[in-house]
Amino acid sequence: DADVTQTPRNRITKTGKRIMLECSQTKGHDRMYWYRQDPGLGLRLIYYSFDVKDINKGEISDGYSVSRQAQAKFSLSLESAIPNQTALYFCATSATGQGAYGYTFGSGTRLTVV
Amino acid sequence: DQQVKQNSPSLSVQEGRISILNCDYTNSMFDYFLWYKKYPAEGPTFLISISSIKDKNEDGRFTVFLNKSAKHLSLHIVPSQPGDSAVYFCAADDRGSGNTGKLIFGQGTTLQVKP
Repeated sequence: DADVTQTPRNRITKTGKRIMLECSQTKGHDRMYWYRQDPGLGLRLIYYSFDVKDINKGEISDGYSVSRQAQAKFSLSLESAIPNQTALYFCATSATGQGAYGYTFGSGTRLTVV
Repeated sequence: DQQVKQNSPSLSVQEGRISILNCDYTNSMFDYFLWYKKYPAEGPTFLISISSIKDKNEDGRFTVFLNKSAKHLSLHIVPSQPGDSAVYFCAADDRGSGNTGKLIFGQGTTLQVKP
């Protein structure tokens, strides 16, 4: 099984619908992140959480919300999806004080809003 | 405002030759830099990193150079192999500010290595 699992892998939804993207990890990492990838813009940070009780906005949090249900689970919600939220979404984890440093990414969720 | 910039969207090189991918940053507080590699349908994976106290870090075929005065880093791949064909992301972190762990990524450069 993958260390960082994202569900669903692909999703098509209609404008105005609520949708939740889920992320779970078996790395035992305390930190989790949600990024979106758009052509020409790279990876942009939506929200991040350094522990279960810590939630922070990233560069582009408008239109999104998150929930850190447990250390291993971090969900991203689009309360009312709009077409410009069509993107590839990645969840990532890291560990505080990790010597080697670096994120572990999930395989991504491709979201299309029509 | 893009704090980490990769101005070349794509790069094509011949197998066996050197690939040089460039990255510029604007925030002088960044003190740790990383390169990630991404294949289609997969998440990015960590490739190599460098601390701002160094100007070079080497790992096999991959070397990252950091020029702090120019706020510029580059990734050299020698020799390039077809399996290196992927999207490469540059990322930066400001570990000294207490925000460590919140990486800022560039736009990515798509490398194609031709056999």
